[in-house]
Amino acid sequence: DGGITQSPKYLFRKEGQNVTLSCEQNLNHDAMYWYRQDPGQGLRLIYYSQIVNDFQKGDIAEGYSVSREKKESFPLTVTSAQKNPTAFYLCASSSPGTTNYGYTFGSGTRLTVV
Amino acid sequence: AQRVTQPEKLLSVFKGAPVELKCNYSYSGSPELFWYVQYSRQRLQLLLRHISRESIKGFTADLNKGETSFHLKKPFAQEEDSAMYYCALRGYQKVTFGTGTKLQVIP
Repeated sequence: DGGITQSPKYLFRKEGQNVTLSCEQNLNHDAMYWYRQDPGQGLRLIYYSQIVNDFQKGDIAEGYSVSREKKESFPLTVTSAQKNPTAFYLCASSSPGTTNYGYTFGSGTRLTVV
Repeated sequence: AQRVTQPEKLLSVFKGAPVELKCNYSYSGSPELFWYVQYSRQRLQLLLRHISRESIKGFTADLNKGETSFHLKKPFAQEEDSAMYYCALRGYQKVTFGTGTKLQVIP
């Protein structure tokens, strides 16, 4: 079960708290992504990073922040500004520079606000 | 803007029946299309890519640029095909996913 690792598997957050979700990959992939998966809405892109020290907002970045200090790591912080944070979060990586490459996904983190 | 539409939330078929999961896209450039699958309690994983023109687990998908479609097909459904299927489009720097279709194969 290598490749891309997300932790923790389950996370509970109190209202008003920030939490950080971990995503680590050992695939030497340049690009990493964070998606949020909600029932009936598919996967929606939060943030993505093509190279170290650079990242861009996705479609639903409000209330989230990321960093990309190392190629292997792309942590996602869910801030108190995120109005509806309870969801399943998926991290993915890919290797650009080749045609028709796909994503490798992590196993996900389920975040619940209590 | 890039968009992927999967019109069916749930598709139920009997074992041995043909399967067609619909996917339509909107993109101004030259699209790269993918199908991903998520089996129960497993990770989301790549099923096939349009450029490869491959057949994986009996599934095929043909890109129809005229109809902007990338439907996933299998001639004879098997119980182990029951899963969530997502169509995806790679545009500039990012991939956009559809809302997914749950395929239920009835024994």
